[in-house]
Amino acid sequence: GQQVKQSSPSLTVQEGGISILNCDYENDMFDYFAWYKKYPDNSPTLLISVRSNVDKREDGRLTVFLNKSGKHFSLHITASQPEDTAVYLCAAALNQGGSAKLIFGEGTKLTVSS
Amino acid sequence: EAAVTQSPRSKVAVTGGKVTLSCHQTNNHDYMYWYRQDTGHGLRLIHYSYVADSTEKGDIPDGYKASRPSQENFSLILELASLSQTAVYFCASSEAGGTGQLYFGEGSKLTVL
Repeated sequence: GQQVKQSSPSLTVQEGGISILNCDYENDMFDYFAWYKKYPDNSPTLLISVRSNVDKREDGRLTVFLNKSGKHFSLHITASQPEDTAVYLCAAALNQGGSAKLIFGEGTKLTVSS
Repeated sequence: EAAVTQSPRSKVAVTGGKVTLSCHQTNNHDYMYWYRQDTGHGLRLIHYSYVADSTEKGDIPDGYKASRPSQENFSLILELASLSQTAVYFCASSEAGGTGQLYFGEGSKLTVL
């Protein structure tokens, strides 16, 4: 089964609003969580990541919230701008010695309308 | 700057033919990965490697082989290409396994007819 899930395939937000992207995971041993951004015909790039020992991390307009008991994490983008329009991929990993691998969700297409 | 390059960037193959996708990184990273992108599935891990001459199966390895002849190079091999393997393939490297930042290549669009 899908270990990392993004239940919303798409999201539309008005310019200036807050975009909230959600991700659920199954394995409560995951200890690393990340959000990647992907423009059409481009490769994914890392936006922000957190380890399981923190509940929240901010970086400019981006905030990641981690709810370990609910096996859920989210990305909040404040003051959303048209250039934020992209596909956002959440990902999680379990650090098992030297063979850690990152598992991605299906992606949420964010559209910021002006 | 981190650099992962893939070749070919685009390929059309016939069903039953052999396809090799190549990836080269100049990041001096130990970890390399091959992911497949399909609409509605995000990125799914096919094979990965954390040392030269050794590869590991990812989540969807069936129908694919991988080869890591050196730290810099990682290839994905489709011995008998099938229609269902039409997808965009991304190679990536990282310094610290799955919990480190992944640096992706530009992607290779494979169409199997």
